[in-house]
Amino acid sequence: DAGVIQSPRHEVTEMGQEVTLRCKPISGHNSLFWYRQTMMRGLELLIYFNNNVPIDDSGMPEDRFSAKMPNASFSTLKIQPSEPRDSAVYFCASSPDREEEKLFFGSGTQLSVL
Amino acid sequence: GNSVTQMEGPVTLSEEAFLTINCTYTATGYPSLFWYVQYPGEGLQLLLKATKADDKGSNKGFEATYRKETTSFHLEKGSVQVSDSAVYFCALSETLLTGGGNKLTFGTGTQLKVEL
Repeated sequence: DAGVIQSPRHEVTEMGQEVTLRCKPISGHNSLFWYRQTMMRGLELLIYFNNNVPIDDSGMPEDRFSAKMPNASFSTLKIQPSEPRDSAVYFCASSPDREEEKLFFGSGTQLSVL
Repeated sequence: GNSVTQMEGPVTLSEEAFLTINCTYTATGYPSLFWYVQYPGEGLQLLLKATKADDKGSNKGFEATYRKETTSFHLEKGSVQVSDSAVYFCALSETLLTGGGNKLTFGTGTQLKVEL
């Protein structure tokens, strides 16, 4: 089992550039979550999809952030334009069942915006 | 809204020492409670869970008991090892009324360092 796959593992970009983070959930999982982790704010839920439909995006910080899930095996988180305060580790996680609260996390994308 | 409060770290212990990491929560209803562990450079992994009051979750020598009366879910281990060095997150789940599914709310994490 490949687990949740995120890419890239590390991303360094300049302020104002567009950043796209990618996630492939575990096959058969129907829930997908994007989290952001920083020293100051800890682990924050940004958005949650169930069966490819965004259910809760109340954690998305502002309009510069957008997320899509065009099919059951792929999701993207886009930041446009990026800012230095967006620097963080972004995690994708998937869950097999709407009643099961166990999350499987990817290894994360370390984003640095200069 | 729901929230989770953990003791601040880092917690530094000698190998074979007893570990307690405190966690308290605020929630409406009856959430499930979790401990997740994050090793350096990796994503979070589920360590243990408890789904109702007085349940005890246990795994790899760690355990935590769901205490409804004190709204707590403290993590304990009788004898820690260097390999237990990681960041530990307490979390609770809430069922989303719209769209279904469950949403986890995490604490800020507690870093544990175990030294020889």
